[in-house]
Parts: sequence; structure tokens; C-alpha cells
Amino acid sequence: DAKTTQPNSMESNEEEPVHLPCNHSTISGTDYIHWYRQLPSQGPEYVIHGLTSNVNNRMASLAIAEDRKSSTLILHRATLRDAAVYYCIPVNYGGSQGNLIFGKGTKLSVKP
Amino acid sequence: EPEVTQTPSHQVTQMGQEVILRCVPISNHLYFYWYRQILGQKVEFLVSFYNNEISEKSEIFDDQFSVERPDGSNFTLKIRSTKLEDSAMYFCASNSWGQGRYFGPGTRLTVL
Repeated sequence: DAKTTQPNSMESNEEEPVHLPCNHSTISGTDYIHWYRQLPSQGPEYVIHGLTSNVNNRMASLAIAEDRKSSTLILHRATLRDAAVYYCIPVNYGGSQGNLIFGKGTKLSVKP
Repeated sequence: EPEVTQTPSHQVTQMGQEVILRCVPISNHLYFYWYRQILGQKVEFLVSFYNNEISEKSEIFDDQFSVERPDGSNFTLKIRSTKLEDSAMYFCASNSWGQGRYFGPGTRLTVL
């Protein structure tokens, strides 16, 4: 399984953009990059995923480096509800869809 | 928006008793999973299930654990003889091929 490196914690101000980085230098060519988050006392929540191209959805944007060794999750306007632990996880879509290994993630704090 | 549901939200049991945790995955999903999270620790993969059989399982998922899809909507996790160390939040998840994984709100299992 590809290893990932994320900062332990980050801080943001409410209504400002947040860029959450992830290094995944050992990612294989067929691994997708998934991002999940876990709000306090809740289950993990899917955020976004991509393979090579940048992706946008209603929650966030995902910018993937050209060499695919790193990616950045972008929250365009942080809200207090975005305070959570964010996980970057490479996933290989084999027969089992991959077992989604959660690391320590980045704890995002949002200040009003 | 469709969501994964889990029952009960909290289960208290005595050591050595059997418990069954229940999940209703999103209806058009074909891949199902169980994860657990011991208080203060990482989310851990237990098992994946597709086409009525286990696709992958972790070392945690020993002979005391079993999973079943008894009908077209439910997905269950059974622990035959609970131990104190089984106390954790158990999350069910599902996804369709190549898409993000959707997690339920979890069942808190307390083994006394």
C-alpha cells in the first residue's frame, strides 16, 4: 500500500480558503487518490477523489500534481463545520475496491 | 440524499455474549465494508464484502467475527463471543464501483 504524509494539524480562519497537502510519492499508477474527513463524534465522510486530473465537487476541489506524488485538497471557504480530521488515502480499484487504510490525517481547526 | 444507516446506535453487552450489528447500505451499492474505531485511535478496516462473499479481511477479523447479507438490504457483523477489547465504534460503509465510500453513523459497542 502506498504511504502518505500529511501535516498533523492546520489552522484556518472562517471563510478563508484552506489548502490541505498530502504527499504520496510511492503511489502506483492505478491508485486513485481519495480524501475523507471525520468530524468529531461522527463516522468518516467521503469528500472527493481523482486519478490524474483536478476534480471539483460541491464540497471541495482536488489538485493533483502532474507526477502524482502529491495532491492538495482545497476548501474554498472554510466554515466552522469543516473542522475535522482530513485523510488522504490512495485506493486501488481491484476486485475488492481496496481496503481504504486510514492514517493519522490532518486535524483542521477553523477559527471564527 | 441516500445514506447508510446502522442499528443500534449503542449496544451494551456482557463479555462472552454474541452481538449482531446491523447496517443498511445505500441501495444501488454493491461493495460493503465494516470498520472499527477504538476511542482515540485510527479507523481500522475489518472486512470487505462483494457478490455475497468476503473479498478482503484484516488481521483483526478473526474467527470470532462473521458477516452476512441475509437479504437484499441488510448487511450484518456478528461477534460470537465479545471481549473487552471489542469495545469500539463500528462503522459500516458501502460504495458502487470506483466511487467514494459512504459510511454510516456507527454503532457504539460497549463490552462490560
